[in-house]
Amino acid sequence: EVQLLESGGALVQPGGSLRLSCAASGFTFSSYAVSWVRQAPGKGLEWVSSITSSDTYYADSVKGRFTISRDNSKNTLYLQMHSLRAEDTALYYCAKPPERYNNGWSKLGHWGQGTLVTVSS
Amino acid sequence: QSALTQPASVSGSPGQSITISCTGSSSDVGAYNFVSWYQQYPGKAPKLMIFDVTNRPSGVSNRFSGSKSGNTASLTISGLQAEDEADYYCSSYTTSSTVVFGGGTKVTVL
Repeated sequence: EVQLLESGGALVQPGGSLRLSCAASGFTFSSYAVSWVRQAPGKGLEWVSSITSSDTYYADSVKGRFTISRDNSKNTLYLQMHSLRAEDTALYYCAKPPERYNNGWSKLGHWGQGTLVTVSS
Repeated sequence: QSALTQPASVSGSPGQSITISCTGSSSDVGAYNFVSWYQQYPGKAPKLMIFDVTNRPSGVSNRFSGSKSGNTASLTISGLQAEDEADYYCSSYTTSSTVVFGGGTKVTVL
């Protein structure tokens, strides 16, 4: 069974940094693109970033401040966040494509339960 | 990138069919057949219902179907049931190699 377990969310001051992790199991992690999607409280979904085996992609709203990375030996996805702003407050989900669509990072067939990031003084 | 445009709410009676539209541009919805639809219940993670405009993941009811014409994609729910009451989001791959979501549509079963 595919499992994605996010962690690392916390209360952080504006301008601060945080690193989120997503531990994956139940599939061959190294073979799949994986993504971060966030949802501000009471708001809609916003794509944040995706990573394949060789490339990274970012939303304009986080480019230059967030860095996505992966450690295939640990089956773990990361999101390093710097210069955090109040508008970054959200539940951050990690997600992967459905089976057989390894690099189809625009279609997210499996999601974790999310980790909450709150940016406030 | 601007979010895709969805109606804030759509409602229907049990057994009816409803359609949710998702309007983008020639840089996203109109550019590729990479439109997805997600269902989300309050406090839960989203669930993929349709991908690549018309494809249903295994386990998703065939009451859910997708289509696209030009810059507008649509999700149709046939034989509406109480359990279909949820928020629905569309998304599309874009020519900038990003993904954009719609603002979401709340479906109410009357």
